[in-house]
Amino acid sequence: KAGVTQTPRYLIKTRGQQVTLSCSPISGHRSVSWYQQTPGQGLQFLFEYFSETQRNKGNFPGRFSGRQFSNSRSEMNVSTLELGDSALYLCASSLGRYLRDEQFFGPGTRLTVL
Amino acid sequence: AQSVTQLDSQVPVFEEAPVELRCNYSSSVSVYLFWYVQYPNQGLQLLLKYLSGSTLVKGINGFEAEFNKSQTSFHLRKPSVHISDTAEYFCAVRGEDDKIIFGKGTRLHILP
Repeated sequence: KAGVTQTPRYLIKTRGQQVTLSCSPISGHRSVSWYQQTPGQGLQFLFEYFSETQRNKGNFPGRFSGRQFSNSRSEMNVSTLELGDSALYLCASSLGRYLRDEQFFGPGTRLTVL
Repeated sequence: AQSVTQLDSQVPVFEEAPVELRCNYSSSVSVYLFWYVQYPNQGLQLLLKYLSGSTLVKGINGFEAEFNKSQTSFHLRKPSVHISDTAEYFCAVRGEDDKIIFGKGTRLHILP
């Protein structure tokens, strides 16, 4: 069974631009979560989607948004990029919506904002 | 609000020696606890999790952790480390608000 895939793996943007990152969950998984990982702040929860609905959201500004499609694939968008948005963005999928469900992580998309 | 503290940012240990990575959490409600490992340039992989029941949890790659409710700790241990265990380890807690909070991570350095 294929794992969680994220595209692109690396991305370079300039301040003010916007970016869209994509995540394909493991087949059959209906929940997708997004995380931002930086050396200073560590791993921070962005949002979680289940069956195309946002179930939970972290403490990030409205420039960060996401969505989930009917096939469970998810995208996250960051508008008006800032230097501080440079990070590794990780996507994780899980089978269902229960707290105990194991999350499987993708390799991440490394975003560099110049 | 929940929080997770990993007391050591880096832990050096000789190969074949035992290791303990410390994790303390704060939460006023019941929680689920996790340890993840991240190898260089990769995503996170679940090592083990505590949901309920036995406080000693065994995971992959010979790791185990003990849930201590009175001390609000969930320390990770391995009796004998290998060079391949070189990685960053993250403790995480997920509570009834459904959000998962990660610790800052502990880098495990295996010395030959």
